[in-house]
Amino acid sequence: GQQVKQSSPSLTVQEGGISILNCDYENDMFDYFAWYKKYPDNSPTLLISVRSNVDKREDGRLTVFLNKSGKHFSLHITASQPEDTAVYLCAADRQGGSAKLIFGEGTKLTVSS
Amino acid sequence: EAAVTQSPRSKVAVTGGKVTLSCHQTNNHDYMYWYRQDTGHGLRLIHYSYVADSTEKGDIPDGYKASRPSQENFSLILELASLSQTAVYFCASSEWDSSGNTLYFGEGSRLIVV
Repeated sequence: GQQVKQSSPSLTVQEGGISILNCDYENDMFDYFAWYKKYPDNSPTLLISVRSNVDKREDGRLTVFLNKSGKHFSLHITASQPEDTAVYLCAADRQGGSAKLIFGEGTKLTVSS
Repeated sequence: EAAVTQSPRSKVAVTGGKVTLSCHQTNNHDYMYWYRQDTGHGLRLIHYSYVADSTEKGDIPDGYKASRPSQENFSLILELASLSQTAVYFCASSEWDSSGNTLYFGEGSRLIVV
């Protein structure tokens, strides 16, 4: 089964609004959680990541929230801009394991102006 | 300068033919991966390797082989290409550090099987 799931294939947000992207995982051994951004015809690049010893990490307009008991993590993008339009992929891994970064299906974010 | 390079970037193959996708990294990373991208499926792991001369099966290895002859090079081999293997393939390298397991991807190889 899918170990990392993004239930929303798409999301549309008005420019200036907050984009909230969600991700659920099954394996409670995962201790590393990441968000990658992918533009069409480009390769994915790491946006932000968090280890399981913290519940939240901020980096500029980006914040990752981790809810370990709920096996859920999310990415919040404040002051969303048209250039944020892309596919966002969540991913999870387990240090000390096989180093297999498992990705979700992706959410296509569209920021409309 | 790109640290993970893939070749070919694009290929049309015939059903039943053999296809080899190559990946070269200059990151000095131990881990290398092959993922395929399909609409609605995100990135799915095919094969990966954590040391030269050794490969591991990912989540969807059927129909694919992998080869890691050196730390820098990792190939994905389709011995008998099928229509269902039409996809974009991404190679990546990584290494665990204090911030986690960051993957660095190549530009992708678009494969069309006809």
